[in-house]
Amino acid sequence: AQSVTQLGSHVSVSEGALVLLRCNYSSSVPPYLFWYVQYPNQGLQLLLKYTSAATLVKGINGFEAEFKKSETSFHLTKPSAHMSDAAEYFCAVSDAGGTSYGKLTFGQGTILTVHP
Amino acid sequence: NAGVTQTPKFQVLKTGQSMTLQCAQDMNHNSMYWYRQDPGMGLRLIYYSASEGTTDKGEVPNGYNVSRLNKREFSLRLESAAPSQTSVYFCASSEGRQGSSPLHFGNGTRLTVT
Repeated sequence: AQSVTQLGSHVSVSEGALVLLRCNYSSSVPPYLFWYVQYPNQGLQLLLKYTSAATLVKGINGFEAEFKKSETSFHLTKPSAHMSDAAEYFCAVSDAGGTSYGKLTFGQGTILTVHP
Repeated sequence: NAGVTQTPKFQVLKTGQSMTLQCAQDMNHNSMYWYRQDPGMGLRLIYYSASEGTTDKGEVPNGYNVSRLNKREFSLRLESAAPSQTSVYFCASSEGRQGSSPLHFGNGTRLTVT
């Protein structure tokens, strides 16, 4: 069974500081990995997606994530936080490589707060 | 671009009442999904429809039923609402299977069962 762990339910940074949101996964097959962002009172939006091509994936709004198989991690980073980055972020893993349909499992979410 | 549209946005029910949450997408996607979101638990899949005419149970299907009315529409029904079904419900769609195709979400329905 696959699982996702997001370390830290709340992360607080200053505007202009590095953003690092941690995600570790377990999967018995090569995973597909996603980061989604949720702004208040909205649905989730895709930030970026890893599907076994380049290990460093660039997404929207200056975010990127690196797939590290040895660490089973897919941490999300952004060099310089903006106030508009304040939102909840979800990591998700899929076993799409191993099943006929592809079960997607979400992490519990990390709320990012950006201080002026 | 409407994307995924959910109605209603808010709903309050009393225990035992029934209701149907509506969802429609205009992206010609094959697959559609219903999730519930509860604090600290991420999103959990209730039901999904891989293609028009098919539906399957997800992680937490008990107390719910679904109908894939056509390619555009996928509804979620609560036959006898319970307080444990108080949650935010999201409909989503994808071009292909959920594991590889990105999901496109609606803005959610906030349901309170008293």
